[in-house]
Amino acid sequence: DTGVSQNPRHKITKRGQNVTFRCDPISEHNRLYWYRQTLGQGPEFLTYFQNEAQLEKSRLLSDRFSAERPKGSFSTLEIQRTEQGDSAMYLCASSKRQGSSEAFFGQGTRLTVV
Amino acid sequence: QKEVEQNSGPLSVPEGAIASLNCTYSDRGSQSFFWYRQYSGKSPELIMFIYSNGDKEDGRFTAQLNKASQYVSLLIRDSQPSDSATYLCAVNMGTGANNLFFGTGTRLTVIP
Repeated sequence: DTGVSQNPRHKITKRGQNVTFRCDPISEHNRLYWYRQTLGQGPEFLTYFQNEAQLEKSRLLSDRFSAERPKGSFSTLEIQRTEQGDSAMYLCASSKRQGSSEAFFGQGTRLTVV
Repeated sequence: QKEVEQNSGPLSVPEGAIASLNCTYSDRGSQSFFWYRQYSGKSPELIMFIYSNGDKEDGRFTAQLNKASQYVSLLIRDSQPSDSATYLCAVNMGTGANNLFFGTGTRLTVIP
């Protein structure tokens, strides 16, 4: 499967715990995006990487959230001290560096904070 | 005012009919426009993109863009029950923009 891969698919955690999600983009795609989606809403942009550089962060991304893409390949999104309001689907997408800007999404990680 | 607006629906059409989904956007500098299909509990799947005014056809799908009216639409011909899903409109706003703004989606139900 050469699509965007996300792990884990589901995560249940207690409030106050830290969680980390992983995203493996399509291999030739240098752009990587994280989005968050809650029920009945469209995806909301969190952050964007071009290669290993984090070039844009949304105001939605509080200081409890951190994302990395250390070698310009896979990326991780960590949420520290989780809150119930963090419960959502976390989506990763990737696109080619040049040319078209169509972004393809992974299956998502559904986070439930109890 | 939201950047991207869609009628949340639900929109119900009989099998074989044309489904028409609409989207408006606020930023006149927007460059690229995308339609994603999302089945319940699944992630968005890219089905169409359009960059220039006019129509773009791909199989049963036609995307229509009118930048003067800040309006983009998706037509689904010969609708099938398998087309039942939420359709998300997404807009890349302006040169150098690095992310997509999504509408809340329109839920489509195709009745057999």
